Amino acid sequence: QVQLVQSGAEVKKPGASVRISCEAFVYTFPAYYIHWVRQAPGQGLEWVGWINPDTGDTQYVQKFQGRVTMTTAKSINTAYMELRNLKSDDSATYYCGRGVQGFGDLWGQGTLVTVSS
Amino acid sequence: EIVMTQSPATLSVSPGERATLSCRASQSLGSNLAWYQQRPGQAPRLLIYGASTRAKRVPDRFTGSGSGTEFTLTISSLLSEDFAVYYCQQYNDWPHTLGQGTKVDLK
Repeated sequence: QVQLVQSGAEVKKPGASVRISCEAFVYTFPAYYIHWVRQAPGQGLEWVGWINPDTGDTQYVQKFQGRVTMTTAKSINTAYMELRNLKSDDSATYYCGRGVQGFGDLWGQGTLVTVSS
Repeated sequence: EIVMTQSPATLSVSPGERATLSCRASQSLGSNLAWYQQRPGQAPRLLIYGASTRAKRVPDRFTGSGSGTEFTLTISSLLSEDFAVYYCQQYNDWPHTLGQGTKVDLK
């Protein structure tokens, strides 16, 4: 079944880093971008950035520049998003999505990141 | 950054009724607009892209229309599974941006 499966929930202290994985199943991984969005509790969706798994090209929303890094491991069909210097308002569910043009046609189940001292 | 504004914030509808959701962009998008449905505790689900093209396995009671700065998602006859939050998203320019969502709930 075509799907994206994300890593499990994380609890981190302020200032720490988190790395979330997103594994793709049953489609040609390099053929589609991977987008990352997040959703704070009770709030709407917010774009974080995207990566082209074929070339490694990335584009990040400016507010995350310098704190986020997106990478992929083509050999295992997996994308990663690392967010550094975590703050309490980074607490959110993070979703990876398979990108077609500029939208996501398939989304992972989400990874809850809680930032708390 | 393109600002996306959805209205209304909440739409109360009875099963079987029609729901009309609006999305306005601060700049012209052409047809580079998508709609997503999000049920509680679930990931977003793509409904519409290119302003009016249904994604795979999306029932034909969902219809997207509009271009430029004004867009509409119509659900022709609501089923219980359609009670959810709906987001519009522009992909005409970076950063991609989404509206704040319209919650469709039970009247």
